[in-house]
Amino acid sequence: DAGVTQSPTHLIKTRGQQVTLRCSPKSGHDTVSWYQQALGQGPQFIFQYYEEEERQRGNFPDRFSGHQFPNYSSELNVNALLLGDSALYLCASSPHGGQGYTFGSGTRLTVV
Amino acid sequence: AQSVAQPEDQVNVAEGNPLTVKCTYSVSGNPYLFWYVQYPNRGLQFLLKYITGDNLVKGSYGFEAEFNKSQTSFHLKKPSALVSDSALYFCAVREDSWGKLQFGAGTQVVVTP
Repeated sequence: DAGVTQSPTHLIKTRGQQVTLRCSPKSGHDTVSWYQQALGQGPQFIFQYYEEEERQRGNFPDRFSGHQFPNYSSELNVNALLLGDSALYLCASSPHGGQGYTFGSGTRLTVV
Repeated sequence: AQSVAQPEDQVNVAEGNPLTVKCTYSVSGNPYLFWYVQYPNRGLQFLLKYITGDNLVKGSYGFEAEFNKSQTSFHLKKPSALVSDSALYFCAVREDSWGKLQFGAGTQVVVTP
């Protein structure tokens, strides 16, 4: 049984560009959350998707947007990249009403 | 608003000795508490959680944690540390059954042979 799958694993982008990160949740999970983990820090909540809608959002600018598809997979989009967006982006999935999250291995984004 | 504090940036322990990683939290209602471990260049691995019930929670790899409501603490413990336990440990709290996780800054555990 596959866990949470994220792609790509590593990515290098230039300032001002746009990036899309992808996440496939664990089988049986329908809720997807995204977190940003800067170097040396704990993960910070970006947003959560359930039933293809953004259900909760953290303190991130509108440059960060997302989408959830009917098969529960999700995308994170970041526009107008800044150097400060360099981080490990983690996707976590959970069953609706469930109490546990399963995290993917993350996408390491470097903005140069 | 919910918050988590991990007062130690790093904990050093000799292999075979007890390991404790401290965590205190603040939430407006009943807390949902979690511990995760992260190895270099990897995602987060779930260790254990407290939702309700027994204050002593047993988790993966021999770890356990004690919920103390009066002290608002949820310290992670292992009776006998292994070198392979060297990693970054995160405590996290949630205010409800489905919302965002608020993470602490993390504690680096170094176990020496």
